[in-house]
Amino acid sequence: SQQGEEDPQALSIQEGENATMNCSYKTSINNLQWYRQNSGRGLVHLILIRSNEREKHSGRLRVTLDTSKKSSSLLITASRAADTASYFCATKRGGSQGNLIFGKGTKLSVKP
Amino acid sequence: NAGVTQTPKFRVLKTGQSMTLLCAQDMNHEYMYWYRQDPGMGLRLIHYSVGEGTTAKGEVPDGYNVSRLKKQNFLLGLESAAPSQTSVYFCASSPLNQPQHFGDGTRLSIL
Repeated sequence: SQQGEEDPQALSIQEGENATMNCSYKTSINNLQWYRQNSGRGLVHLILIRSNEREKHSGRLRVTLDTSKKSSSLLITASRAADTASYFCATKRGGSQGNLIFGKGTKLSVKP
Repeated sequence: NAGVTQTPKFRVLKTGQSMTLLCAQDMNHEYMYWYRQDPGMGLRLIHYSVGEGTTAKGEVPDGYNVSRLKKQNFLLGLESAAPSQTSVYFCASSPLNQPQHFGDGTRLSIL
């Protein structure tokens, strides 16, 4: 069963604009991770935020976590054509031996 | 470092045939995973391993078997392939409670 659900399913923006993707989940978590997948490639880890953290930054990425609402958002600022990819959130529940549960992803298209 | 390497990259099988997908990692990670990715479904965990000689079922284990005889290798077997197993298969590895590293996938078509 899917734990995380990303919203929107697809997003199309112009280069230079910001992109915001949201993720909602159902059960309590240990941490939440965001991954990127370029077409025809494997997933690449972007950022991990623990359940006791509210915000985290990495370069042009900003992730927030609201455990009371069971939701997270990924913001990509000043987007580039190279950011075109699918983005997935994945949650890890406590005691799950490292297993992640992935959402269905948001497909981001950044037009030059 | 090569990271996570999956072989083969593409394969076409006939219904009822068997095959083994190989995953190799050179990062000395304890944990290894096999996922399948279908359109609109995200990634679903098939089987995983928390160390050499151990395996466990994930969300969608039916029709698959796995083995982890060596720490660096994790094999996924299809004993009797079915069209419903047409998918892209991803292997990943990680240390405990750390992000996962993925291979580039095996695209499997079953006719």
